[in-house]
Amino acid sequence: QVQLQESGPGLLKPSETLSLTCTVSGGSISHYSYYWGWIRQPPGKGLEWIGSVHYFGSTYYNPSLQSRVTISVDTSKNHFSLRLSSVTAADTAVYYCATYGDYEYFQQWGQGTRVIVSS
Amino acid sequence: EIVLTQSPGTLSLSPGERATLSCRASQTISSSQLAWYQQKLGQAPRLLIYGASSRATGIPDRFSGSGSGSDFTLTISRLEPEDFAVYYCQQYGSSVTFGGGTKVEIK
Repeated sequence: QVQLQESGPGLLKPSETLSLTCTVSGGSISHYSYYWGWIRQPPGKGLEWIGSVHYFGSTYYNPSLQSRVTISVDTSKNHFSLRLSSVTAADTAVYYCATYGDYEYFQQWGQGTRVIVSS
Repeated sequence: EIVLTQSPGTLSLSPGERATLSCRASQTISSSQLAWYQQKLGQAPRLLIYGASSRATGIPDRFSGSGSGSDFTLTISRLEPEDFAVYYCQQYGSSVTFGGGTKVEIK
């Protein structure tokens, strides 16, 4: 089964752009059956889906974040990425990458990466 | 957006007891497209149940899911020490949303 590992800066200032990468191992990001997603969890709170992507290029975003989010796939590096613009303190969270198949229940998760937004 | 409300917020039980967790949706979830996850402190969530009642690979049979429409239940038949955690429901019938979670704590 695939394994996922998030990476990226852990500290950002307000108004900056958050950029995270999820590296996939044990399988190809180009597998037609897989979709790749991002979920976040603010400190002490529940889970929020950010969006998902298929290697064909199809993207699906949470309507509440859509105006600030871009998710993309790099098949040459077997990873996918999240960009979230104009961050505020409300974007402070643990960010997880995850994968699913035909239906959007997340079968495999990365360990998560903590992002803090603070001036 | 489909809002999922989980109850109770906290469930205090002893090992060996039965746990019943509820997840109620603000509208009908098509084709029972509901999943349950377990999350332990400092860890990523782990998929337990999908399709409302199908156990994920490697999940013990003391975990069971039921329900349809807008009312769903996760039951843990006999709590083991490792089952004390936070549980989330998630719907994927219309976009993706998660419930607020139920914490199962040791009484």
